[in-house]
Amino acid sequence: EPEVTQTPSHQVTQMGQEVILRCVPISNHLYFYWYRQILGQKVEFLVSFYNNEISEKSEIFDDQFSVERPDGSNFTLKIRSTKLEDSAMYFCASSEGGRRSNQPQHFGDGTRLSIL
Amino acid sequence: DAKTTQPPSMDCAEGRAANLPCNHSTISGNEYVYWYRQIHSQGPQYIIHGLKNNETNEMASLIITEDRKSSTLILPHATLRDTAVYYCIVKNTGNQFYFGTGTSLTVIP
Repeated sequence: EPEVTQTPSHQVTQMGQEVILRCVPISNHLYFYWYRQILGQKVEFLVSFYNNEISEKSEIFDDQFSVERPDGSNFTLKIRSTKLEDSAMYFCASSEGGRRSNQPQHFGDGTRLSIL
Repeated sequence: DAKTTQPPSMDCAEGRAANLPCNHSTISGNEYVYWYRQIHSQGPQYIIHGLKNNETNEMASLIITEDRKSSTLILPHATLRDTAVYYCIVKNTGNQFYFGTGTSLTVIP
């Protein structure tokens, strides 16, 4: 069964450094998402992406964050200057359809980001 | 904010059916109910979704009341590997899934 894959599984970065988290969505999916989960807390929506544009973003997704689909298969989340509070699990998801669709989002197993 | 409410925790004996309830009294006519689960800190795993008819797949059954204000996820023969946090989700405006705190299901040997 096709799945969303994320790399790396664990990323350790010094505070203030840039980090790029990578995702390969399911191949025929057109909508892509990032969520995060701080340890012990809820899964929170960050951003959705369709047709090479951000379609929705949350208050968490500030100017330090950016997303990109650099080629036909990868979807990336960049944090420009990491802060201690960015330490979390970051989940990528993809779906066939968007807002008007009932298609579910399928999630990867996440990247654990640790900021030192 | 979540459009759903779920009990914070439940226990189920191994081999028995696990019935997880969810209230979504403000659901609109064209909104679907989705169920996901999360084992430890793994990624949320899609289980099933439905609009108004009952649904069944290889993982679970979804029973939605006629007024659509509540639903029940049924795991017919729970195993220890079904121990997880289960989320009942109705999309917020747009395409975001709001996960809430879910129901922590513990399957007991």
